[in-house]
Amino acid sequence: GAGVSQSPSNKVTEKGKDVELRCDPISGHTALYWYRQRLGQGLEFLIYFQGNSAPDKSGLPSDRFSAERTGESVSTLTIQRTQQEDSAVYLCASSSRQGNSPLHFGNGTRLTVT
Amino acid sequence: GQSLEQPSEVTAVEGAIVQINCTYQTSGFYGLSWYQQHDGGAPTFLSYNALDGLEETGRFSSFLSRSDSYGYLLLQELQMKDSASYFCAVLGDYKLSFGAGTTVTVRA
Repeated sequence: GAGVSQSPSNKVTEKGKDVELRCDPISGHTALYWYRQRLGQGLEFLIYFQGNSAPDKSGLPSDRFSAERTGESVSTLTIQRTQQEDSAVYLCASSSRQGNSPLHFGNGTRLTVT
Repeated sequence: GQSLEQPSEVTAVEGAIVQINCTYQTSGFYGLSWYQQHDGGAPTFLSYNALDGLEETGRFSSFLSRSDSYGYLLLQELQMKDSASYFCAVLGDYKLSFGAGTTVTVRA
């Protein structure tokens, strides 16, 4: 595709439910990142994939968060037993390789936990 | 780990020059990037400095001093459309870590 695509664009869920967020990176991009951005705040690193492997999972906030990537393309971020503090915009970005290549961001998934 | 500091907000008038400073601490350093984010939008890449010195791209310039762990983004000939949040980001240990962002408000 022309850019990074994320779905859904908006998600409202009840506390305690599980949610799955999807990211389709730019074709051929081997590096993929997930960030979380709370309202009016900066980007909080969650996880990084190089190909299908995740060498850095240090940013995942708790064991309720998990992510996977298959076929060096689509990635999913799963949040189990959602809590109100999980409400945020979840941004996915991809780049052609790790290192100094610019990150191309999707428009994000706005998650609201009620 | 990484930590970055930048001012929270800056206000200036159209046509003015704004400098956004960024200081960082990181284990492993490969470069300093700048991203722009308009309200409700996705961050977009502005610039990347791996070496000391000034990089100029149109009205925007970015500077890096590795010995001082310091960089800045210079916005010249400010336009209303430049009102946005600007984030510095450090590439270290193959992870891009972002600062909290500087909100730039341009007034007529």
